Amino acid sequence: GENVEQHPSTLSVQEGDSAVIKCTYSDSASNYFPWYKQELGKRPQLIIDIRSNVGEKKDQRIAVTLNKTAKHFSLHITETQPEDSAVYFCAASINAEGNEKLTFGTGTRLTIIP
Amino acid sequence: DVKVTQSSRYLVKRTGEKVFLECVQDMDHENMFWYRQDPGLGLRLIYFSYDVKMKEKGDIPEGYSVSREKKERFSLILESASTNQTSMYLCASAHSGGNHFGQGTRLTVV
Repeated sequence: GENVEQHPSTLSVQEGDSAVIKCTYSDSASNYFPWYKQELGKRPQLIIDIRSNVGEKKDQRIAVTLNKTAKHFSLHITETQPEDSAVYFCAASINAEGNEKLTFGTGTRLTIIP
Repeated sequence: DVKVTQSSRYLVKRTGEKVFLECVQDMDHENMFWYRQDPGLGLRLIYFSYDVKMKEKGDIPEGYSVSREKKERFSLILESASTNQTSMYLCASAHSGGNHFGQGTRLTVV
């Protein structure tokens, strides 16, 4: 089955700097790659996703890149703010619609230092 | 806006008890999932269902079962709770564009 590895497990960045979280996946049939943000005591929330027919997607300060050949994808957060502090999870799925089961990475705890 | 509701935020149960975790979604989604979340392990899939009365094992189904009698409701059952099932349990539903999660149930087995 699919295996998703996520690095780093913890990340601290100065407010205003950029943060990058990286994931690799094992199943070349995977086509859908979402990123979730989980604030303390809250449910995971989808923040951005990318499908395999696209190499990059951007939404304001957040971007995701995908390299299908190397089987890795990354989350980039620019101009970080204190409210970006949370645990971030990457995931992968075979179904490009994004409505089937997900395999998650182990999470990255991002801390923004004011 | 998708709403996924889990019946309890916190539960404390004794070893050997039968435990029911309930999840309801209001968006007529066909696909529903149960994950457990543990520190350092991320979210792991226990069971999922793509239709009423249909169920499939996920990555860690041992010690669990599920029930999907109605489209909007997906129940997770711990047949005989054990201390290693102490965890955060997250239900999700999906139509397109990723899983939508409930608020989670923190289960402690003593």
